[in-house]
Amino acid sequence: NAGVTQTPKFRVLKTGQSMTLLCAQDMNHEYMYWYRQDPGMGLRLIHYSVGEGTTAKGEVPDGYNVSRLKKQNFLLGLESAAPSQTSVYFCASSYSRGWEQFFGPGTRLTVL
Amino acid sequence: QQQVKQSPQSLIVQKGGISIINCAYENTAFDYFPWYQQFPGKGPALLIAIRPDVSEKKEGRFTISFNKSAKQFSLHIMDSQPGDSATYFCAASENDNAGNMLTFGGGTRLMVKP
Repeated sequence: NAGVTQTPKFRVLKTGQSMTLLCAQDMNHEYMYWYRQDPGMGLRLIHYSVGEGTTAKGEVPDGYNVSRLKKQNFLLGLESAAPSQTSVYFCASSYSRGWEQFFGPGTRLTVL
Repeated sequence: QQQVKQSPQSLIVQKGGISIINCAYENTAFDYFPWYQQFPGKGPALLIAIRPDVSEKKEGRFTISFNKSAKQFSLHIMDSQPGDSATYFCAASENDNAGNMLTFGGGTRLMVKP
């Protein structure tokens, strides 16, 4: 059981470049989330999904898109990266409403 | 506007001492209050959680105290150990929110000195 895995672990982008972060979970969880973590700000929810084929906006969705084509995968895309998107990105999943969220190890993204 | 405010931002405690981290919230609809522990280079992991039907929950050396009228809750770490050195996040959610979304505090970096 790998739990929640994230690819890649580190990435450096130039302003304007695009990229996709991949999150995978092998716990058969319905709910998946993307957060960003910045110093002193805690974790802020970007987008989330309550099931395959569904997505919804969180607290800070601007500049990001997501897709949940398969139940086990949740992709986060940056179409045109900006320095303000430099952050550590965490994916999480939970079985359902009211259940614990399990987090992946994070992706450190730097946008120059 | 941060709906969950956490203090202090950093904390240094001697081994064997008590670490206390406080959180305050505004949204009276919040009814689930977890604490997450994060070690450097790792993702957060659930440490302990409480619902507002009880005022205190204890698991080993970790205790959550909850004050519904003051809209505050706190984490107490008894007999703090160097292995407890980590960043701690409080969080809150509404049970009937469709996405099971958590609102996090800003985090507290705890260092326990040997």
